[in-house]
Amino acid sequence: NAGVTQTPKFRVLKTGQSMTLLCAQDMNHEYMYWYRQDPGMGLRLIHYSVGEGTTAKGEVPDGYNVSRLKKQNFLLGLESAAPSQTSVYFCASRPLAGHDTQYFGPGTRLTVL
Amino acid sequence: AQSVAQPEDQVNVAEGNPLTVKCTYSVSGNPYLFWYVQYPNRGLQFLLKYITGDNLVKGSYGFEAEFNKSQTSFHLKKPSALVSDSALYFCAVRDPLGGYSTLTFGKGTMLLVSP
Repeated sequence: NAGVTQTPKFRVLKTGQSMTLLCAQDMNHEYMYWYRQDPGMGLRLIHYSVGEGTTAKGEVPDGYNVSRLKKQNFLLGLESAAPSQTSVYFCASRPLAGHDTQYFGPGTRLTVL
Repeated sequence: AQSVAQPEDQVNVAEGNPLTVKCTYSVSGNPYLFWYVQYPNRGLQFLLKYITGDNLVKGSYGFEAEFNKSQTSFHLKKPSALVSDSALYFCAVRDPLGGYSTLTFGKGTMLLVSP
């Protein structure tokens, strides 16, 4: 049982490049989330999903797209990376029941030059 | 709207002393409240939560938190700090009646425990 995993762990992009971050969970959780963590800003919600095939915007969705084609995977895409998207990205998941306790992945550190 | 505030960017405490990390919240109904800890270069780990019932909640690693509805607070406490408790701590809230299916996190408080 690996829990929540994220791929890749580190990535450096040039401005304008695109990439996809992959989050996978093996706990059969319904809900999945993408956050970004910046110094002094805490965690801010980018997008989330309440089930396979559904997505919704969070607090800071601009410049990102997501897809949840399979229940266990939640993809975060950057179509044209900007330096402002330099951050640490965390994925989390939680079951339908359980009072909202979220389980986090180890994070992806992204640098956009 | 739901919001949470952690008024201290950093808390310093000597090993063996009690520690408190403060959190206040704002919701329209009765809140679900959480504490998470983040060690360097790691993801967030769940520590404890308050949903209902006893105002004093016990969690992992000897931590506890006290829910105070009148002061809208949920402070994290530990009777005797360890150097290994040094980490970044996040408080989070959800208003289950507010139509939200997401948690709102505070900005985090860095806890530094000196030997």
